[in-house]
Amino acid sequence: QSVLTQPPSVSGAPGQRVIISCTGSSSNIGAGYDVHWYQQLPGTAPKLLIYGNTNRPSGVPDRFSGSKSGTSASLAITGLQAEDEADYYCQSYDSSLAALFGGGTKLTVL
Amino acid sequence: QQQLQESGPGLVKPSETLSLTCTVSGGSISSRSYYWGWIRQPPGKGLEWIGSIHYSGSTYYNPSVKSGVTISVDTSKNQISLKLSSVTAADTAVYYCARVGTAMAWHYWGQGTLVTVSS
Repeated sequence: QSVLTQPPSVSGAPGQRVIISCTGSSSNIGAGYDVHWYQQLPGTAPKLLIYGNTNRPSGVPDRFSGSKSGTSASLAITGLQAEDEADYYCQSYDSSLAALFGGGTKLTVL
Repeated sequence: QQQLQESGPGLVKPSETLSLTCTVSGGSISSRSYYWGWIRQPPGKGLEWIGSIHYSGSTYYNPSVKSGVTISVDTSKNQISLKLSSVTAADTAVYYCARVGTAMAWHYWGQGTLVTVSS
């Protein structure tokens, strides 16, 4: 059972917009710790997608965006493409500097 | 652009010690105030943080992982190591080495190495 809660799966048709939620608590996200998002394509290592709640590393398309409010955060993907089919993980910290991961969300592009 | 490469035995017997090494290229592990860490992923499951280390030696471990975890750095070899003692089948996973960057996000990842615990 992960401390950060994500929906197990989401789906959308090509071109559509999907949102993946990440719910924490006052001990982690709600305490002010940043949320980061990772994309893991099948058989590969996770790749940083969003850092510091809203920032995209160089090379990440602006179709991906992040937000944070209170004890939750969200990853939005617009203009869905087949190549976006992957597992997505949110990550934050708690006061002991323990890195916390969400359970992961499998995105299916219909 | 830093690159991380994990290495170590792919098969470990139950009750023995799992030992992995992460070799860093493209810069010294002690050149900046970075944190390095190990993250694992059991087959078909999610990511689990094992622990982190600063090049100065400060360590942080996941209390949910068994107490026999040790992470260390060897600045002379530009390597980070992981030791996990008394392993069981539940420790079977892909083990990733990673480096923290801006905003304490894990910016750099190794390709991962699968470790199977079996007799």
